[in-house]
Amino acid sequence: GIQVEQSPPDLILQEGANSTLRCNFSDSVNNLQWFHQNPWGQLINLFYIPSGTKQNGRLSATTVATERYSLLYISSSQTTDSGVYFCAVENDYKLSFGAGTTVTVRA
Amino acid sequence: DGGITQSPKYLFRKEGQNVTLSCEQNLNHDAMYWYRQDPGQGLRLIYYSQIVNDFQKGDIAEGYSVSREKKESFPLTVTSAQKNPTAFYLCASSIEVRYEQYFGPGTRLTVT
Repeated sequence: GIQVEQSPPDLILQEGANSTLRCNFSDSVNNLQWFHQNPWGQLINLFYIPSGTKQNGRLSATTVATERYSLLYISSSQTTDSGVYFCAVENDYKLSFGAGTTVTVRA
Repeated sequence: DGGITQSPKYLFRKEGQNVTLSCEQNLNHDAMYWYRQDPGQGLRLIYYSQIVNDFQKGDIAEGYSVSREKKESFPLTVTSAQKNPTAFYLCASSIEVRYEQYFGPGTRLTVT
């Protein structure tokens, strides 16, 4: 199956800092989604981004499908951004998830 | 309010018992999914359903069963054949397969 690698595994930020999370995948995919999981386990869909760039407030994402990677940018981080960020890629109707990047934002 | 509900939030069972986890959605989505998450790991797909009365195995279907008799409901049964059933179980739906998925709050199952 498709391999999805996320880096870094852990990230500690000071409030107000910017950061970049990376997702590499091993094969061509039909789409790519970014999710945020809060400390209580709820997953929120951040972006559906098979290619190109999208922005939503302080978050933006870029997927370069031909080079098999995607980036998630967090700007002016806030403590509420803490949690685990997952990248998931779809191939043959199935989503495959990476192991996630755990982000901790300190006040 | 539209959304996905899962019940109960916490579930405790003795080894050897089957247990059914509930998932209901009122988003009018055709596709529904079940995932398993173990501590410190990503999600793994158990089963998915593209439409009523149809479902397909995911990557880790052994020891699980599902049904899709209604568009709104996609219950998951964890059978006694599942060797390591203790985990966090998440249900999701999307308007169709391949579209963005929306998740319920999850059920934490503990089997002792």
